[in-house]
Amino acid sequence: QKEVEQDPGPLSVPEGAIVSLNCTYSNSAFQYFMWYRQYSRKGPELLMYTYSSGNKEDGRFTAQVDKSSKYISLFIRDSQPSDSATYLCAILSNAGGTSYGKLTFGQGTILTVHP
Amino acid sequence: SQTIHQWPATLVQPVGSPLSLECTVEGTSNPNLYWYRQAAGRGLQLLFYSVGIGQISSEVPQNLSASRPQDRQFILSSKKLLLSDSGFYLCALETGSSYQPQHFGDGTRLSIL
Repeated sequence: QKEVEQDPGPLSVPEGAIVSLNCTYSNSAFQYFMWYRQYSRKGPELLMYTYSSGNKEDGRFTAQVDKSSKYISLFIRDSQPSDSATYLCAILSNAGGTSYGKLTFGQGTILTVHP
Repeated sequence: SQTIHQWPATLVQPVGSPLSLECTVEGTSNPNLYWYRQAAGRGLQLLFYSVGIGQISSEVPQNLSASRPQDRQFILSSKKLLLSDSGFYLCALETGSSYQPQHFGDGTRLSIL
């Protein structure tokens, strides 16, 4: 079993739709939960991160973490064609007060928002 | 603000040739630096990380090596490339005494012929 599993998609939605992207993880020691957006031929760009269960909102984006179910989600409201990209979940283990922590990535979900 | 420079952006190399990819960072000091590889349609695989000059840790055994000759320079190398070394190579940095997520450069796309 992979440490982080991400729905691979691809996902195609009309402009204005609500998008739900999901990951599950197996290691309860995971501490920080990130979502990155990656445009074609570019490096991943950090969208949001959180360390606690619950919701965190930033504009049209909401990150949700359920540690009891080991499940994380990213919701995009009022999706735009500019949101078309690959979305990667990433989970950090053992931040532990040191500056090094290992990120484990999902395999990414390709999202297309068509006008 | 922190900036990560990677070059070249694209590289085509024959099998058996050497490799040197460079990553330099600006706007910070004493960062943790990382090399990742991303295969097509896949997530990111951590290759190497460095917490300081001359300090390199390898995550997976492979045909590649890394060096950190200066605080803000991280180099990925190979003496003889294999077909399986093709991929998108990304450099990332992490800074701060409290946790801040890694930031990535724009990568080098390496094709081996």
